[in-house]
Amino acid sequence: EPEVTQTPSHQVTQMGQEVILRCVPISNHLYFYWYRQILGQKVEFLVSFYNNEISEKSEIFDDQFSVERPDGSNFTLKIRSTKLEDSAMYFCASSSRDRNQPQHFGDGTRLSIL
Amino acid sequence: KNEVEQSPQNLTAQEGEFITINCSYSVGISALHWLQQHPGGGIVSLFMLSSGKKKHGRLIATINIQEKHSSLHITASHPRDSAVYICAVNGIGASNYQLIWGAGTKLIIKP
Repeated sequence: EPEVTQTPSHQVTQMGQEVILRCVPISNHLYFYWYRQILGQKVEFLVSFYNNEISEKSEIFDDQFSVERPDGSNFTLKIRSTKLEDSAMYFCASSSRDRNQPQHFGDGTRLSIL
Repeated sequence: KNEVEQSPQNLTAQEGEFITINCSYSVGISALHWLQQHPGGGIVSLFMLSSGKKKHGRLIATINIQEKHSSLHITASHPRDSAVYICAVNGIGASNYQLIWGAGTKLIIKP
């Protein structure tokens, strides 16, 4: 069964550095999402992406964050100038046809900011 | 106030017991999702429903749109069912792309 894959599984970065989290969504999916889960807290929506543009973003997704689909297969989340509070598990998801479809999740990237 | 509330927060049961996890929501929705998060962190979608009932193996999900309530049932529970079960909804209106997540129910099934 097709899967959403995320790399790396764990990223350790110094505060203030830029990180890029990578995701390969399921190939025929059209909607892409990033979520964040701080340790011990619930999952939070960051951003959704459709037709090469952001369709919705949360308050968390400020100017520090950006997303890109550079080559038709990868979907990346970039965090500029990371802060300690960016430490979390980041999940990528994708869904087919429209937003009211099951979302398929990657296994997540654990981001640790030192 | 949380838009999606789950109960109980934690549930420990013996193998074989019938499990019920509840979800209430306060917003208008187009769909409700039940997801499973394993101890390693990975998330798997179990059900997406907008009305009635769905069944997959030992798992059953129901939704009552009028009461804004959904339940997830597990029959003949097994230790491998131990995980966090999360309810999430697709809101309608302005926030209609994002999933709004509950806090999850941590389920432990003892052998």
